[in-house]
Formats: sequence, C-alpha cells, structure tokens
Amino acid sequence: KNEVEQSPQNLTAQEGEFITINCSYSVGISALHWLQQHPGGGIVSLFMLSSGKKKHGRLIATINIQEKHSSLHITASHPRDSAVYICAVRGGAGGTSYGKLTFGQGTILTVHP
Amino acid sequence: GAGVSQTPSNKVTEKGKYVELRCDPISGHTALYWYRQSLGQGPEFLIYFQGTGAADDSGLPNDRFFAVRPEGSVSTLKIQRTERGDSAVYLCASSLRAVSTDTQYFGPGTRLTVL
Repeated sequence: KNEVEQSPQNLTAQEGEFITINCSYSVGISALHWLQQHPGGGIVSLFMLSSGKKKHGRLIATINIQEKHSSLHITASHPRDSAVYICAVRGGAGGTSYGKLTFGQGTILTVHP
Repeated sequence: GAGVSQTPSNKVTEKGKYVELRCDPISGHTALYWYRQSLGQGPEFLIYFQGTGAADDSGLPNDRFFAVRPEGSVSTLKIQRTERGDSAVYLCASSLRAVSTDTQYFGPGTRLTVL
C-alpha cells in the first residue's frame, strides 16, 4: 500500500460542476501539499496545509490530521482547470524524511465545456 | 530568471552511457530536491540537499545514481551506465529552507529517454 493514496485516479466533469479530489496518507506528516501539473508543463504548488482549511479563488483545500485525510475542492470548474492534481506529504519533524515530499499518484481531471 | 531551471529539457541516450542533468535553483534557496516521474505516476523522491550536503539520499535507486551540489547552488544529477528503466522525467525543486512551511518550487524537468 502506498503511503499516499489519491482518489479518484481519473475524473471527468462538465464546466460549472463542483469537484472533489481526495487524499489519504498513512504516515506522520509535518505538512501536506496540493500540486497542479499541466500536460508537458511543470508542477505548481497550489496549497500547503498543516491544519484546517485554505481557500484561493475557486480552490479550497482541507485537512483532517486525526483522520489523515485531505480534500481539494474546485468550485465552478472550468476547462482550464484540466490538469493532473497531486497530493504530496512532507515527513514529520526530526526525521531524515523531514525535507522530502512523498507523492500520490495524481488525479487526472478533465473539464468539458 | 526567477524560477528553477533545468538543462537539458530533453536528453536521449543509449543504454550504457553516462548522463548529467543540471538544476539551477532559485537564487538564495538553500534546499534543493531531485525527484523522478515515470509516465502516469506521481513523482518519487531521489535526494535532497541542504546547502552543499546531501541531507537525505534514501531515494537514489542504486549506486549508478549520484548527485552533487558543490557550491550550494547548482546541482548535477549523474547517472552511470544508463538503463532503459531510467527513462523518466527528472524534476528539480528548491525551497528557501528544508522546513515544512517553505514551498518547493519546481523546475520544468528533464525528460530522459534511454534507448
């Protein structure tokens, strides 16, 4: 079992729909990141969370530390939101894994007009 | 140029050859990370540097892989005796420090193809 699991692996939506992507992890973490990767493009950091909820424009990210679960929501989705969304966790403080990110396999989102 | 840059953007080599991949981090960033992303997968960690030293190299798959950062800025990932299974996109990222509150900024990657 991977340390970071995302669901769904593929997601297709119609423009305007509310989208949720889920991420579960099995290790202690110091932070959780949501990243966006466009085809042929680089990776962009969307959010970094250690607790609670963050909002940026139409994007909302939440994390439940006790349940080891995070969600990324996109409101009023648009075709330009089509990309791969990746959840990544940063190791707990004090260990050698503290600096590195451990990634989920990504969720491929396609939003149709 | 404010972002992380990587060169070359594409590298095609033959099995058994030696390759070097370069990463220029954002100026002033002390932490530098190397990841590898195979087709259809999320990135996987290889190694990260804090300054000139490798703080964690546990992700390097075997001793054919080596990375250096001699002056605490530019880093080179070196792969000896390349194998077809090494084909992937190699990603570099940097952050101001190696702490959980610092965002990692990713470069565009180097696509390595081993024939």
